[in-house]
Amino acid sequence: NAGVTQTPKFQVLKTGQSMTLQCAQDMNHNSMYWYRQDPGMGLRLIYYSASEGTTDKGEVPNGYNVSRLNKREFSLRLESAAPSQTSVYFCASSKIPVGGGNTGELFFGEGSRLTVL
Amino acid sequence: AQSVTQLGSHVSVSEGALVLLRCNYSSSVPPYLFWYVQYPNQGLQLLLKYTSAATLVKGINGFEAEFKKSETSFHLTKPSAHMSDAAEYFCAVSDANTGNQFYFGTGTSLTVIP
Repeated sequence: NAGVTQTPKFQVLKTGQSMTLQCAQDMNHNSMYWYRQDPGMGLRLIYYSASEGTTDKGEVPNGYNVSRLNKREFSLRLESAAPSQTSVYFCASSKIPVGGGNTGELFFGEGSRLTVL
Repeated sequence: AQSVTQLGSHVSVSEGALVLLRCNYSSSVPPYLFWYVQYPNQGLQLLLKYTSAATLVKGINGFEAEFKKSETSFHLTKPSAHMSDAAEYFCAVSDANTGNQFYFGTGTSLTVIP
């Protein structure tokens, strides 16, 4: 199994350009997440989707949009990229038990390195 | 609100020495606690987790962690460091109130000195 697959792995953008990061998981997980990782700040949640058809803001949603296309796919879009969005982006998925209780582990993709000039 | 504090952004140990990485959490209800490891240019992978069963949790690669409610801590230990343990380690917390969210600490970079 591939697990969580992210594309692209590397991208360089100019300020104001747009792009979409794609993520797909093949583990039949209900929840999917987008995090950004910056030095000294750990992982910060951008958006998440608890189940197909729902999305919710995380800690740092400004400047981003997401789409839960189906159960497998969760994309992250930057409409007008800014240098502050230079980061490593991670997609993750998890199987959250019915009724809640986040006891399941997160499975991560390998990351997408984005540089905005 | 839930939060995680990892004391020490960088820890260095000699090969064969004890590894101790510290994690303190804040949660208003019983927490679920996790340790993840990140090797260079890779995603995170689970080392171990505590979900209200035994307070001493054993994980992969010889790591273990003990949940101490009185100290709100979940420190990660390994008796003898190996060169392959050099990586970034993240503590994370969730609970029944976090709405499918997980909260991560800022990470601790472990260096193993030969």
